[in-house]
Amino acid sequence: DAGVTQSPTHLIKTRGQQVTLRCSPKSGHDTVSWYQQALGQGPQFIFQYYEEEERQRGNFPDRFSGHQFPNYSSELNVNALLLGDSALYLCASSLTSGGFETQYFGPGTRLLVL
Amino acid sequence: AQSVSQHNHHVILSEAASLELGCNYSYGGTVNLFWYVQYPGQHLQLLLKYFSGDPLVKGIKGFEAEFIKSKFSFNLRKPSVQWSDTAEYFCAVNAPGGSYIPTFGRGTSLIVHP
Repeated sequence: DAGVTQSPTHLIKTRGQQVTLRCSPKSGHDTVSWYQQALGQGPQFIFQYYEEEERQRGNFPDRFSGHQFPNYSSELNVNALLLGDSALYLCASSLTSGGFETQYFGPGTRLLVL
Repeated sequence: AQSVSQHNHHVILSEAASLELGCNYSYGGTVNLFWYVQYPGQHLQLLLKYFSGDPLVKGIKGFEAEFIKSKFSFNLRKPSVQWSDTAEYFCAVNAPGGSYIPTFGRGTSLIVHP
């Protein structure tokens, strides 16, 4: 049973560029949440997708957007990258009936913005 | 909105020493509390959780945590640490009656010397 997978594992971009990160949820999970973890900090909730719609959103600007596909996989898009967007981006999947309590995390994508 | 404080950012112990990591949260209503662990090179994973009932919660690998409502605390303990407990530990809280978005502390880095 595959857990949560994310791609790519590492990424280097320059300021102003756009980036797309991908996540495949754990088998049987229908809800995907995205987190940003800056160096030396805990994960910060970006948003959550269920039934292909954004269900909840944290305190992140509109440059951060997402998408969920019918197979429950998800993408995180960040436009107009800033140096401060450099971080580990975590995807977590869960069952909507179970809430955040049941979420499983992926290995993350490490983004470096130069 | 809820917040989480982890006062110990770095802890260094010898094997067999006892461990207690502090976690305090701020939120006036009902909360769910979590401890996550991130071993070197591995995914963030759930160590234990508290929803209701017995305030002393047992987790995996001999860890336990005690919820003290009057102190808004959820400290993590282990009577005798092992070298393999070297990891980053994160306390998190969400509020079922509030925004429900989970909030993480900044983490405590634990190094256990063999």
